[in-house]
Amino acid sequence: QQQVKQSPQSLIVQKGGIPIINCAYENTAFDYFPWYQQFPGKGPALLIAIRPDVSEKKEGRFTISFNKSAKQFSLHIMDSQPGDSATYFCAASKGAGNQFYFGTGTSLTVIP
Amino acid sequence: NAGVMQNPRHLVRRRGQEARLRCSPMKGHSHVYWYRQLPEEGLKFMVYLQKENIIDESGMPKERFSAEFPKEGPSILRIQQVVRGDSAAYFCASSPRQGGQPQHFGDGTRLSIL
Repeated sequence: QQQVKQSPQSLIVQKGGIPIINCAYENTAFDYFPWYQQFPGKGPALLIAIRPDVSEKKEGRFTISFNKSAKQFSLHIMDSQPGDSATYFCAASKGAGNQFYFGTGTSLTVIP
Repeated sequence: NAGVMQNPRHLVRRRGQEARLRCSPMKGHSHVYWYRQLPEEGLKFMVYLQKENIIDESGMPKERFSAEFPKEGPSILRIQQVVRGDSAAYFCASSPRQGGQPQHFGDGTRLSIL
């Protein structure tokens, strides 16, 4: 059973566009929601994370929007660049130091 | 490089052999997590360890898989009698303490079974 559902599976945008990746969860005990970026042959690297007490968090060109009532959160990449082409994973965890539940990933391609 | 170090980066084994994957956490981190990633899929949790203790192994297959994190040295994920279905990328992550987010990931070990 997939605890975190992620969409779309793949996404192609033009340079400068704003790709949006969405995730949904069911377990209201989740209290930490990170986004990871992964390039081929590398491990996931943390991009940005949010806790459910805020509705939005921005770090550089990356923004997380969080809707607690809908149990959804999304990643927006402003002014996307070809170097942003990668696979993006959302995740969720509950409690202190526990495992992450990952979405199935979104392959993003930014066309120059 | 003070990041999470995994070795080997690539490992090839024949069916029935043993695979040993090693993970050295970031300096100062005492919590280690192992995840498995199949092609075109997200990461699936396998096991969470602290030094000399297994905290949560709910994602670990009951047979052939084991993990340890000794007082000295790296964490080891051991797969005995490997089968083709074990082919995957295995990632290790570490965090500094109980409840210490985020988890920092290594670059993984790509295991191929012939």
